[in-house]
Amino acid sequence: GAGVSQSPSNKVTEKGKDVELRCDPISGHTALYWYRQSLGQGLEFLIYFQGNSAPDKSGLPSDRFSAERTGGSVSTLTIQRTQQEDSAVYLCASHRGNQDTQYFGPGTRLTVL
Amino acid sequence: DAKTTQPTSMDCAEGRAANLPCNHSTISGNEYVYWYRQIHSQGPQYIIHGLKNNETNEMASLIITEDRKSSTLILPHATLRDTAVYYCLVAGNNRKLIWGLGTSLAVNP
Repeated sequence: GAGVSQSPSNKVTEKGKDVELRCDPISGHTALYWYRQSLGQGLEFLIYFQGNSAPDKSGLPSDRFSAERTGGSVSTLTIQRTQQEDSAVYLCASHRGNQDTQYFGPGTRLTVL
Repeated sequence: DAKTTQPTSMDCAEGRAANLPCNHSTISGNEYVYWYRQIHSQGPQYIIHGLKNNETNEMASLIITEDRKSSTLILPHATLRDTAVYYCLVAGNNRKLIWGLGTSLAVNP
């Protein structure tokens, strides 16, 4: 079946602009994660959604970052007033309710000029 | 901080077994050991996971020591396409995986 998809694959924006990144998880997966990966670094946890529970936002680096998940499926990560240090690859992953095996999308490469 | 430690880089000859070590000395009783890999410019790919027994699938084998403080991922016949960064992680009920920098494996012809 279809895997996790993300859009856009690449996004170039100017400092101060807002951006929205989209993630379509695998159908039926109740859990969804957002990560950020800077060049040459490991993955940095941002936010975790699990079913109808309140999301775990403990990884969001500032209040400029927010995410929502509508209808338990598609998720949008929004970054307001982007800064150059926000440049990174933003990865989305999903998994089934009691499974910890995460399936990753291809990522969105964000470049803030 | 990541709960695992791995060598920064390793080399392996094509066709030989690649043995990637991982230390997780603070692992809890209910935490699994997971291995993922990330090929350049792609999202991480799940390889294998285990609790305390050794595991094998079509991609690799996972050997976990009896005290569970370390494990080894074995790629039995490495190919050039196995060149990637390999991440070892531990995770339990909170499911919030903490990612380190992994091991950069270079498979050489």
